[in-house]
Amino acid sequence: QKEVEQDPGPLSVPEGAIVSLNCTYSNSAFQYFMWYRQYSRKGPELLMYTYSSGNKEDGRFTAQVDKSSKYISLFIRDSQPSDSATYLCAMSATWNYGGSQGNLIFGKGTKLSVKP
Amino acid sequence: ETGVTQTPRHLVMGMTNKKSLKCEQHLGHNAMYWYKQSAKKPLELMFVYSLEERVENNSVPSRFSPECPNSSHLFLHLHTLQPEDSALYLCASSQARAGEYTDTQYFGPGTRLTVL
Repeated sequence: QKEVEQDPGPLSVPEGAIVSLNCTYSNSAFQYFMWYRQYSRKGPELLMYTYSSGNKEDGRFTAQVDKSSKYISLFIRDSQPSDSATYLCAMSATWNYGGSQGNLIFGKGTKLSVKP
Repeated sequence: ETGVTQTPRHLVMGMTNKKSLKCEQHLGHNAMYWYKQSAKKPLELMFVYSLEERVENNSVPSRFSPECPNSSHLFLHLHTLQPEDSALYLCASSQARAGEYTDTQYFGPGTRLTVL
């Protein structure tokens, strides 16, 4: 079983739709959960991060973490054509002081297309 | 220049060539990373550098050799690569501080490498 599973899509929705993107994971030690957005021919950019379980909202974006089910979600409300990108989930167990990165594990990414 | 820059953006090389990828971060961060992004595969962490230490993934072949002369610059030296090494190589940087639980990574645009 892979550590992080993410449906690669592609996912196509009409403008204004609510989008749900999901990842499941197997490592119960994961505590830090992130969503990155990657536009074509660009590097990933951090969209949202969450520590442990719960919800976090930022404008049209809501991140949810359910540690009991080992399941994380990103919701996009009122989706726009500018949201068309690949969305990557990422997670890790620890952050070490001094910049030494613990294992940040990424999903494969879900390609989203929002049609006008 | 702002953020994280990478050069070249595209590189085509033969299996016997030696080339280097360059990354520069203008964010004052203390950690830098190399990732490999292949089609339909998750982002793979290759190397991490911080002021204190270098963290190396043991599964990275020796034909990839990182160099970090200072906290702003990171190189990836390539020699005798294989066609399966063709991928997008992403550089990232971050600033870790004690007591904070996030270590946001900022990515460059990547170098698209093709090995013939």
